Amino acid sequence: AQSVTQLDSQVPVFEEAPVELRCNYSSSVSVYLFWYVQYPNQGLQLLLKYLSGSTLVKGINGFEAEFNKSQTSFHLRKPSVHISDTAEYFCAVSLYNQGGKLIFGQGTELSVKP
Amino acid sequence: DTGVSQDPRHKITKRGQNVTFRCDPISEHNRLYWYRQTLGQGPEFLTYFQNEAQLEKSRLLSDRFSAERPKGSFSTLEIQRTEQGDSAMYLCASSPPVSNTEAFFGQGTRLTVV
Repeated sequence: AQSVTQLDSQVPVFEEAPVELRCNYSSSVSVYLFWYVQYPNQGLQLLLKYLSGSTLVKGINGFEAEFNKSQTSFHLRKPSVHISDTAEYFCAVSLYNQGGKLIFGQGTELSVKP
Repeated sequence: DTGVSQDPRHKITKRGQNVTFRCDPISEHNRLYWYRQTLGQGPEFLTYFQNEAQLEKSRLLSDRFSAERPKGSFSTLEIQRTEQGDSAMYLCASSPPVSNTEAFFGQGTRLTVV
C-alpha cells in the first residue's frame, strides 16, 4: 500500500524567510508526486508536480520541490515567503496504473507572520 | 471554462436525512473523482469514474453512500441516513484522459450534520 507522511503539521515562519515543508512517501511501485495548496474554505490548487526527468521541479508562486528517490522524499521549498502564502499545503502521490487517484498526506499548515 | 463546479457550497442537515451533492467537471475531462476531507486532515479518496463507469470505490464509501455519473458528464454523490460522522468537506475533481496530468479540484461542499 502507498502512504504519504508530512512531517510537520504546522510551520510558523516570518515574512521573507525561507521555508521547507517536508514530505516522505512509501510505495513499492513508481509514483507521480504533487504538491497542492488549500486556502480556507477553498478547493485544492496545484503548486507543482513531478512526473519524470529533472528532480528539481519549479511551480507557481515561487515554490519548488526536489524529488529524492533514495530517500523517498519530495520536500517543498520557497526562498522567501509572503503573508499571502499562509495556507494548508498537501503532498500527494498517484500511481501510474490507478487512473490518477491521489493519496494525500495529512497536510502542513504554513503560517507566515509579519 | 470555469473549472470544476460543486453545488451546494454548504449544506446543514439533520441526522437521518438524505443529502445529494452535484459536481460538474471541466468539459472533456473524462475522469471524475470524489474525496472527503475532515478537519485537519488531507483529502481521502472515495470513488472514481471514467466516463459513466464507476471504476473504483473506497471502503470508506459505506452502503449509505452512492455516486452516479449517468451521462459521463456531471456526477452526484448521495448520502442516505446521514450521521454526525459524515460531517466533512466533500471535494470533486476531474482530469483529462492522460494519467500523468493533475486533477483539478472544485471548491467543495461542506456538509454539517446536526
